[in-house]
Amino acid sequence: NAGVTQTPKFQVLKTGQSMTLQCAQDMNHEYMSWYRQDPGMGLRLIHYSVGAGITDQGEVPNGYNVSRSTTEDFPLRLLSAAPSQTSVYFCASSRGVSGELFFGEGSRLTVL
Amino acid sequence: AQSVTQLGSHVSVSEGALVLLRCNYSSSVPPYLFWYVQYPNQGLQLLLKYTTGATLVKGINGFEAEFKKSETSFHLTKPSAHMSDAAEYFCAGGFKTGANNLFFGTGTRLTVIP
Repeated sequence: NAGVTQTPKFQVLKTGQSMTLQCAQDMNHEYMSWYRQDPGMGLRLIHYSVGAGITDQGEVPNGYNVSRSTTEDFPLRLLSAAPSQTSVYFCASSRGVSGELFFGEGSRLTVL
Repeated sequence: AQSVTQLGSHVSVSEGALVLLRCNYSSSVPPYLFWYVQYPNQGLQLLLKYTTGATLVKGINGFEAEFKKSETSFHLTKPSAHMSDAAEYFCAGGFKTGANNLFFGTGTRLTVIP
């Protein structure tokens, strides 16, 4: 079982470049989300989706866009990368409210 | 504001000793509560969760946690630490907002000394 798959695992960008972090899940989960993990700050919610065509902002949405055209995919777009976006990004999915979150293995992004 | 607080960013225990990792939540309504573990360069995996019902929750790898509403706490324990328990542990709360958004604590890194 693949679960939640994130690509790429590592990426280095220059300030101002754009890129998309891909996330796909094969568990038919309605809920998907993106978190960023920074030292000493735990995980913070960037954006989330409760189903195809529905997205909303989390705690730290600035500088990021998302879309949810299918149940399986939930890409995260960085429009103009900044050094403050250097982080490890995790995609997660679950079947519903109070359900277990299943996490991908993370994408480590460095912005120079 | 809804939040989850973990006391102690680093905890060291000897192999075979009791593990106690502390977590408190801030909410007038009891939230769903979770403990996740993260091994180096990996994603997070669920140790245990509390939603409703029994306040003592048993998880994987011998861990358990007790939900105490009067203390707004959900501390994680394990009677006897093993070297393989060395990892970072995150407490998280879901505050029943209609979506499965979790608020995470800042994490506690557990070191097990042989």
